[in-house]
Amino acid sequence: QVQLQESGPGLVKPSETLSLTCTVSGDSISSSDWSWIRQPPGKGLEWVADLYSSGTTYYNPSLQSRVSISVDTSKNQLSLKLRSVTAAETAMYYCARWIGGPAGWFDPWGQGTLVTVSS
Amino acid sequence: EIVLTQSPATLSVSPGETATLSCRASLSVSTHLAWYQQKPGQAPRLLIFDTSSRASGVPARFSGSGSETDFTLTISSLQSEDFAVYYCQHYNNWPVYTFGQGTKLEIK
Repeated sequence: QVQLQESGPGLVKPSETLSLTCTVSGDSISSSDWSWIRQPPGKGLEWVADLYSSGTTYYNPSLQSRVSISVDTSKNQLSLKLRSVTAAETAMYYCARWIGGPAGWFDPWGQGTLVTVSS
Repeated sequence: EIVLTQSPATLSVSPGETATLSCRASLSVSTHLAWYQQKPGQAPRLLIFDTSSRASGVPARFSGSGSETDFTLTISSLQSEDFAVYYCQHYNNWPVYTFGQGTKLEIK
């Protein structure tokens, strides 16, 4: 079955760039659609970005000017970059497969990687 | 932006009983609504999509209903493993999606 595993630095300084990777197994990253979702400690879920198999990307409007999502097909990996981070962006970051095209849902999810933004 | 409001914030129910969780949308989302379960320290897991379709491997005691702005997740014959936080999510305003703030289902 499809499995996703996020990885990242754990700690990022304010104003710097957060870079995360999601390694996918059991599915070709170029044949499905993928997403990033984040969750601050003790809080709810926030959709961050989508990357469709067509190469089209979509971003949460509140983050659009600072975020980018991409794939490395040779490694079957999804990546996320978020520039100029603040402490409020301390969160668990999840990658997930997006199912259903324009009207779909997230399934499955990776276990997540915790990113702390602090100096 | 469509806002999803879940109620109650916390629901206390005894094992074996039925839990009813609500999700209300600020605008119609048709039947474009999903439900997820999140246990402590774990990632969310898809339970229900398209309002009432169970995801693969989800027990039949989980059921979803509703349309437009009012949705319900019903869990019958609660098992110990069902106590968790539940989130609804809409996908009617592609490509922007939002989640509800969650309902914590706890053991009474």
